[in-house]
Amino acid sequence: IVLTQSPGTLSLSPGERATLSCRASQSVSRGYLAWYQQRPGQAPRLLIYAATNRATGIPDRFSGSGSGTDFTLTISRLEPEDFAVYYCQQYSDSLTFGGGTQVDIK
Amino acid sequence: QVQLMESGGGLVKPGGSLRLSCAAAGFTFSDSYMAWLRQAPGKGLEWVAYISTLSTYIDYAAFVRGRFTISRDNSRNSLYLQMNGLSDADTATYYCATVLSTRHNVFTFWGQGTLVAVSS
Repeated sequence: IVLTQSPGTLSLSPGERATLSCRASQSVSRGYLAWYQQRPGQAPRLLIYAATNRATGIPDRFSGSGSGTDFTLTISRLEPEDFAVYYCQQYSDSLTFGGGTQVDIK
Repeated sequence: QVQLMESGGGLVKPGGSLRLSCAAAGFTFSDSYMAWLRQAPGKGLEWVAYISTLSTYIDYAAFVRGRFTISRDNSRNSLYLQMNGLSDADTATYYCATVLSTRHNVFTFWGQGTLVAVSS
């Protein structure tokens, strides 16, 4: 399954809402899709799994939605530490990652 | 807290071999499925290999099958990746990670990574 993330770059200001998209080349069964955040120079951090479940310790401003081939990560109000790259990953058919969306400061 | 520390990276010539290690602490290693992932410089993430708690289930990404071998030693709380037949395309930071569960093949805790550079 090929995952396509859009946009490639999202330029927003702190406090704004961010909406990131992840589209799959075929249906992701059981909603087996995850989202990660990667800050510069750091390892990735799991945010969301099974499309909508927040991982332990993840603030509730992060939310995931979607099913089938279309999934969304929403950050309700951007904090300074949220400017990073975000990746989606499917695990319903082997395991693949999307190419990433960079969220940077406008 | 959970700690994962990779080691063993470095510069190697094409066709060469390298063995990566990952030392785990702060959780029950023997109860955790584990994985290796990688990230080429300036690129995205790739899953490399996956191993179950007792090493009875192992899987590899197609691009490393037959060249890389994942293993673990639960008595030493350690994960390994033996890499043979390295090429330029294998240049990347390699991360070890814990797997959330047998149902959810997602990666909850990550080490800081070890850099493997393949160049003549």
